[in-house]
Amino acid sequence: GAGVSQTPSNKVTEKGKYVELRCDPISGHTALYWYRQSLGQGPEFLIYFQGTGAADDSGLPNDRFFAVRPEGSVSTLKIQRTERGDSAVYLCASSPGLAGHEQFFGPGTRLTVL
Amino acid sequence: DQQVKQNSPSLSVQEGRISILNCDYTNSMFDYFLWYKKYPAEGPTFLISISSIKDKNEDGRFTVFLNKSAKHLSLHIVPSQPGDSAVYFCAASPPSVFNKFYFGSGTKLNVKP
Repeated sequence: GAGVSQTPSNKVTEKGKYVELRCDPISGHTALYWYRQSLGQGPEFLIYFQGTGAADDSGLPNDRFFAVRPEGSVSTLKIQRTERGDSAVYLCASSPGLAGHEQFFGPGTRLTVL
Repeated sequence: DQQVKQNSPSLSVQEGRISILNCDYTNSMFDYFLWYKKYPAEGPTFLISISSIKDKNEDGRFTVFLNKSAKHLSLHIVPSQPGDSAVYFCAASPPSVFNKFYFGSGTKLNVKP
């Protein structure tokens, strides 16, 4: 079956602009996660959803970052007033929401803020 | 403060030999550990996991060892193949239904033919 998909694969924007990154999880997966991976680092947790609600948003770096999952499937990560430091690969993952289960990752969106 | 550490940024191994990748963690509450493999321009792919009730889990050429007292885990690949060349991340999670993962910074494995 289809895996996790993310669009766009690459996004170049200018400092101060607004961006939206989209994630389509594996069908039927109730849990959805966003991570950010900077160069030379591992993925860093941002937020996860159980269904439509954000169960844990403790990893969001500041209030410029926001994510939604209105129907419990597709999620959008929104970044306002982008800064050069926001440049990274943004990874989305989904899982069945069961304890002791791996997360399935998408290919990521590479965001470059000029 | 990084709770999961991979202190070797790179490792080079000859084809057919054993690859040993190491990972240390600081949070004694972690009870679920995983290894992911990542190729360039792709997302991480799950490789193998272990829960804290075990000290070893094996899947084909891949074995993960967990030493809870030392807060250390390792991934053994035997025999190593050129297709294993990738970045390997270890990840850990505290007890939770939804598994918030903490990742190490990765080790780039190069298996030479």
